[in-house]
Amino acid sequence: IAGITQAPTSQILAAGRRMTLRCTQDMRHNAMYWYRQDLGLGLRLIHYSNTAGTTGKGEVPDGYSVSRANTDDFPLTLASAVPSQTSVYFCASSEGTGGNQPQHFGDGTRLSIL
Amino acid sequence: AQSVTQLGSHVSVSEGALVLLRCNYSSSVPPYLFWYVQYPNQGLQLLLKYTTGATLVKGINGFEAEFKKSETSFHLTKPSAHMSDAAEYFCAVTRYSSASKIIFGSGTRLSIRP
Repeated sequence: IAGITQAPTSQILAAGRRMTLRCTQDMRHNAMYWYRQDLGLGLRLIHYSNTAGTTGKGEVPDGYSVSRANTDDFPLTLASAVPSQTSVYFCASSEGTGGNQPQHFGDGTRLSIL
Repeated sequence: AQSVTQLGSHVSVSEGALVLLRCNYSSSVPPYLFWYVQYPNQGLQLLLKYTTGATLVKGINGFEAEFKKSETSFHLTKPSAHMSDAAEYFCAVTRYSSASKIIFGSGTRLSIRP
């Protein structure tokens, strides 16, 4: 089934450790996104990529980095995890970059930083 | 600047009753509006969207929403609730220029009473 695959599905991590969340899509969508979801706050955009080779900062980019080496993969890295990064992380994609484009979401990675 | 307000973090209705989830937005330019649904331990799925044209939009699972510019609202309705409708619902707004500028509401959890 076409869609977005995120890995791992959940992870417990010690503070200060480096962690990469993986995201792969097989829909050949141009744009990809990383969000974090926290109770009562909805989804907040961390980073995005409009096309392979380009990335941009979202609403809450501090402490996170991304890369987009090809169309399908969009990993999110926490260089040195802190407890405030405990959250559920969702990767999403859209076919184009226009505002009328719906986004397709993965099932998320539940990350706990101790 | 754009913003989205979902009135009521939790709505409970009886099975067979009308579902009404409220969403108000603010946008300095004509918006694109979306409703997404999230089931437990899953990512968001698109229910429906308004971009241009007809202001009454029909989506999946019997849901519909009406764009009312004068009221800056995009409320989600369903005539008869099903147990399977229990989920979290998110309203979102963006502008024509960029899908990365999407703003999500904080969500409304819908519970269905037998």
